[in-house]
Amino acid sequence: DAGVIQSPRHEVTEMGQEVTLRCKPISGHNSLFWYRQTMMRGLELLIYFNNNVPIDDSGMPEDRFSAKMPNASFSTLKIQPSEPRDSAVYFCASSRHRQGGGEQYFGPGTRLTVT
Amino acid sequence: QKEVEQNSGPLSVPEGAIASLNCTYSDRGSQSFFWYRQYSGKSPELIMFIYSNGDKEDGRFTAQLNKASQYVSLLIRDSQPSDSATYLCAVNIKGTALIFGKGTTLSVSS
Repeated sequence: DAGVIQSPRHEVTEMGQEVTLRCKPISGHNSLFWYRQTMMRGLELLIYFNNNVPIDDSGMPEDRFSAKMPNASFSTLKIQPSEPRDSAVYFCASSRHRQGGGEQYFGPGTRLTVT
Repeated sequence: QKEVEQNSGPLSVPEGAIASLNCTYSDRGSQSFFWYRQYSGKSPELIMFIYSNGDKEDGRFTAQLNKASQYVSLLIRDSQPSDSATYLCAVNIKGTALIFGKGTTLSVSS
C-alpha cells in the first residue's frame, strides 16, 4: 500500500514568492495533519483536518499560511508571501482515527528553502 | 500549556546494551502514547504505541507507561548501530491532535 505522498520533495524559492505544498493521505484515513519541523522548535502542528474539515488551525503561524483539503485524497499548504524564516521541513501525516488522536503516519516531507 | 518533555541527549550506548529513553508529560488527561523514530533527513516512523499502564513489548522494543508518575519510556534491548536516530515521544489528549516532544538523539557505537 502506498504511504502518505508529498510533493515536491524539495523547494527553493525567493522571498515573496508563493509556495504550494501538496499531500495525498493514505487511502481510507479520516484525519490529515500538516507539521513544520526545525532544529530550534522541533515538530510543530500547523493544522489538522478531519473528514476534510479543518478542526484546529491554531498552529498556523500567521495569515500568510493557508491550508485546504478539497477532498479526501488531497490537501495543500500554501505560503504567500514566503519569508526566509519559513525555511523548514514540512510534513504531512494521516490517521484513520477521528478527533486527532491515534497513530499517525508521516509522508517523506518537503524541504523548503526561502532565500 | 500541554507539554511533552524529553532529554535532548545525545544518549550514547555501546552496541548490545540496553538504551532507555524517557518522556514526561504534563496533562493527566493524556490517553495514548506513541514513540516515533526519525533518522537524519527522514520522516518520523511509528515504532510503538501504548494505552494502558505497564509494559508493552514488540521485538527488541519495550514501551513502559506510568500514568501516576506521568512518564512513558522506551527500552531498546541489544542496541544496534542502526538504532542510532532521534526518538520522538508523542502524547494524545482526548479531542486534540498528538503533542510531540523535541526528541532524544540516540547514538549506538559499535
